[in-house]
Amino acid sequence: QKEVEQNSGPLSVPEGAIASLNCTYSDRGSQSFFWYRQYSGKSPELIMFIYSNGDKEDGRFTAQLNKASQYVSLLIRDSQPSDSATYLCAVTPRLGGGGSNYKLTFGKGTLLTVNP
Amino acid sequence: GAVVSQHPSRVICKSGTSVKIECRSLDFQATTMFWYRQFPKKSLMLMATSNEGSKATYEQGVEKDKFLINHASLTLSTLTVTSAHPEDSSFYICSARPSGQGLAPLHFGNGTRLTVT
Repeated sequence: QKEVEQNSGPLSVPEGAIASLNCTYSDRGSQSFFWYRQYSGKSPELIMFIYSNGDKEDGRFTAQLNKASQYVSLLIRDSQPSDSATYLCAVTPRLGGGGSNYKLTFGKGTLLTVNP
Repeated sequence: GAVVSQHPSRVICKSGTSVKIECRSLDFQATTMFWYRQFPKKSLMLMATSNEGSKATYEQGVEKDKFLINHASLTLSTLTVTSAHPEDSSFYICSARPSGQGLAPLHFGNGTRLTVT
């Protein structure tokens, strides 16, 4: 069973702080890694994606991938109350049928609350 | 780019009726689309994989006769909830990525909130 594990939270940080969200995955052959943000009652919105080991930065967001440790994280700098949401980690496994058929395996999400 | 449009955003129907939800990729072609369901405060659950020109692949435990999926073209997939009951009330979300980009991110529609009375 391919799994993606996240701490369900809630993770509470003060405004302006760095929020650190973590995710581990069981399939060592996983190929692509995504972070989605989901506000209550809304559909998921892509925040970051990363394919290679190391860091990838986009504005206030940094995704970090360590394939040896099967670990992916999301850092949010200068956290804002508008960042309060559930953050979903998703992974494309090694085998998925090819072409467009690669399913994403989602974690259950971490609820982040940024306090003003 | 990579916009997925879903319609309707909200629907209320009576028990026993059927409801059709449309999912369109607006600026790309999608051989495959994915349908999810999400209950309040629960995680996303993949229901089925919609395949253009062929039968959908359903996840274990999902009734294929109740949730009919048709992927009529490279930009349109529909989910029909047949003989809806109150327990089918949920948030249904479709997603897709451009054809041939199997490792690219999935892009989600805005979802359809179904309430069965």
